[in-house]
Amino acid sequence: EVQLLESGGGLAQPGGSLRLSCAASGFAFNSYAMNWVRQAPGKGLEWVSGISVSNGDTFYADSVKGRFTISRDNSKNTLYLQMNSLRAEDTAVYYCAKAHSSGYLIPFDYWGQGTLVTVSS
Amino acid sequence: QSVLTQTPSASGTPGQRVTISCSGSSSNIGSNTVNWYQQLPGTAPKFLIYYNNQRPSGVPDRFSGSKSGTSASLAISGLQSEDEADYYCAVWDDSLNGYVFGTGTKVTVL
Repeated sequence: EVQLLESGGGLAQPGGSLRLSCAASGFAFNSYAMNWVRQAPGKGLEWVSGISVSNGDTFYADSVKGRFTISRDNSKNTLYLQMNSLRAEDTAVYYCAKAHSSGYLIPFDYWGQGTLVTVSS
Repeated sequence: QSVLTQTPSASGTPGQRVTISCSGSSSNIGSNTVNWYQQLPGTAPKFLIYYNNQRPSGVPDRFSGSKSGTSASLAISGLQSEDEADYYCAVWDDSLNGYVFGTGTKVTVL
């Protein structure tokens, strides 16, 4: 059974940093691209970032480019999102999501349960 | 503001057919395949339709997708109470070099 378990969310101050983790199990983690998607309270879904299998190719939404860094550790079956220079508008539930097909970044067939990030002073 | 526009809401009685539209442009729907996700209240999104009209295993055939030009549609036939959810279209945008979600449609079963 595919499982994605996010952690690392919490309260951060504007300008601060947080690192999210997503522990994956139940599939060959090193064979699939992974992504982060967020959802602000009461709002729609927003793709944040994606990373290819080999860690060589990363993609970011314009809203987080230069502030967030996606990475993965295939030996630990874990996806990360380093979030720096946080802003109030980064407040959201952050989901990690697995790519459906090996070799492609999208679409997403499995999602984690999400972790809440709140940016406030 | 998303580059994909969806009707904010749709409704129907049990057994009816409901159609949700997703409008984009040549850089997204016009040149890439469309996916759909269902989000039940208080839960993570669920994979519903991919490559315009393909259903993942386990998704009932009541759900169907289509695409024409720069627009896409999701149809739910034989509407059931458990279909009450938010529905999002999504597609890769070549101009933004990123994945974009639609604004979302809330489906209500009357």
